[in-house]
Amino acid sequence: GAGVSQSPSNKVTEKGKDVELRCDPISGHTALYWYRQSLGQGLEFLIYFQGNSAPDKSGLPSDRFSAERTGGSVSTLTIQRTQQEDSAVYLCASSLTWDRVPSSYNEQFFGPGTRLTVL
Amino acid sequence: AQKVTQAQTEISVVEKEDVTLDCVYETRDTTYYLFWYKQPPSGELVFLIRRNSFDEQNEISGRYSWNFQKSTSSFNFTITASQVVDSAVYFCALSEAWNYGQNFVFGPGTRLSVLP
Repeated sequence: GAGVSQSPSNKVTEKGKDVELRCDPISGHTALYWYRQSLGQGLEFLIYFQGNSAPDKSGLPSDRFSAERTGGSVSTLTIQRTQQEDSAVYLCASSLTWDRVPSSYNEQFFGPGTRLTVL
Repeated sequence: AQKVTQAQTEISVVEKEDVTLDCVYETRDTTYYLFWYKQPPSGELVFLIRRNSFDEQNEISGRYSWNFQKSTSSFNFTITASQVVDSAVYFCALSEAWNYGQNFVFGPGTRLSVLP
């Protein structure tokens, strides 16, 4: 079946502009996660959704970052007034559930990412 | 605080050689989970293994094996008889049980190049 998809695959923007990154999770997956991968760095966890709700937004780097999820499916990560340090690959993942007990049901499946470049 | 260290930034081997990727972690939690992911050039992270802190048995899956040593806080990954298709960036990650699935900490990754 279809995996996690993200769009756009590449985004080049000018400093100060707003950008929206989209994630389409695997159909039926209730949990959705956003990560940021900066050049030469590991992955940085940003936020996760249980259905449409994000219980903890403390991982977002600044108040310029926001995320929403509607209909328990598509999620959008919005970065306002982009800065050069926002340049990174933004990865989305989804899992069937968000249970606290690890199982094959909450294994995360990752999308290909969106490469954001802020000039 | 959680931390994952992968001291090897890049490794190059010739096909058929064995290679071990190191992972050292820090956590104050007594129950936690360790992971390895593969990121091929296509960019998508591929789940390889999850291990919980109370199971120190080593795991073997085909050419892949993992050595979990709580005494040294290490979770090393060995590829036997490496192949060109193994070329990728490999990430080690940690998730503490109290917030499992809600906050993964990844290491910086090790780029493995397998030369023909």
